[in-house]
Amino acid sequence: QLQLQESGSGLVKPSQTLSLTCAVSGGSISSGGYSWSWIRQPPGKGLEWIGYIYHSGSTYYNPSLKSRVTISVDRSKNQFSLKLSSVTAADTAVYYCARTAYVDADDYYFDYWGQGTLVTVSS
Amino acid sequence: SYELTQPPSVSVSPGQTARITCSGDALPKKYAYWYQQKSGQAPVLVIYEDSKRPSGIPERFSGSSSGTMATLTISGAQVEDEADYYCYSTDSSGNVVFGGGTKLTVL
Repeated sequence: QLQLQESGSGLVKPSQTLSLTCAVSGGSISSGGYSWSWIRQPPGKGLEWIGYIYHSGSTYYNPSLKSRVTISVDRSKNQFSLKLSSVTAADTAVYYCARTAYVDADDYYFDYWGQGTLVTVSS
Repeated sequence: SYELTQPPSVSVSPGQTARITCSGDALPKKYAYWYQQKSGQAPVLVIYEDSKRPSGIPERFSGSSSGTMATLTISGAQVEDEADYYCYSTDSSGNVVFGGGTKLTVL
C-alpha cells in the first residue's frame, strides 16, 4: 500500500521560505505514469493545488503561485519537496502531498494523499 | 477562470439517498472526480473517471455525469458518511480545478 508522509517546519515567519518534504513508501517515486503533487487547504476553506513534479524532474505549477514555488525530487531518498518563498499569513494552511495519476496528459487526479501537515505563518 | 460549482450543503436522514451535484462547462469533455474529507482528515478519492469506484469504497457511493453536471450519489447514507465532498476536474488546458465543497449532514 502506497503511503506518503509530510514533514517540515510547522511555523514560519512572514517573508521567509516554507519548506516541506514528502516521504513515499510502499512504492517508487520513479514509477512511470505518475507525478507527485502538493495541495494545500487554508483552515476552514477549500483545496488549492500548488504544483507537481515528475520523477524526471519536470515541474508544473499553479500559475497563481508559480513565482514563489519550487518543487524538487530526490529519487535516492524516494521523496519530493516543496519550497514556498516570501510567505504571508495567507499561506497558513494544511499542506498535503499526493500522487498524481493520469488518464491522459490533460486529465489527471490525486489517488493517494499524505495525512497533511499544518503550517502557520506568524511572527 | 474555470469553476466547478457545488451546493454548500446537503442534508439527509440516515438511510436516505444523498445527491451532490457539480456543474462545470468543461465536464462534457472532462472526467469528474469526487473526494470525501472527514473532519481533520485528508481527502479520500471515492469516485474517479465520472463513475468508477476505487477499491475499498462502499458500493453505496456512485457517480454519474451528463452534460455540464456531475453527480455523486450516496444510496442509503450512513452517519459515517457525514463529511465535506469536493468535486474535481481539469480544465481545457489541463489546469487543476476543485469545486468549493459540499458539507453533507446525515442526521
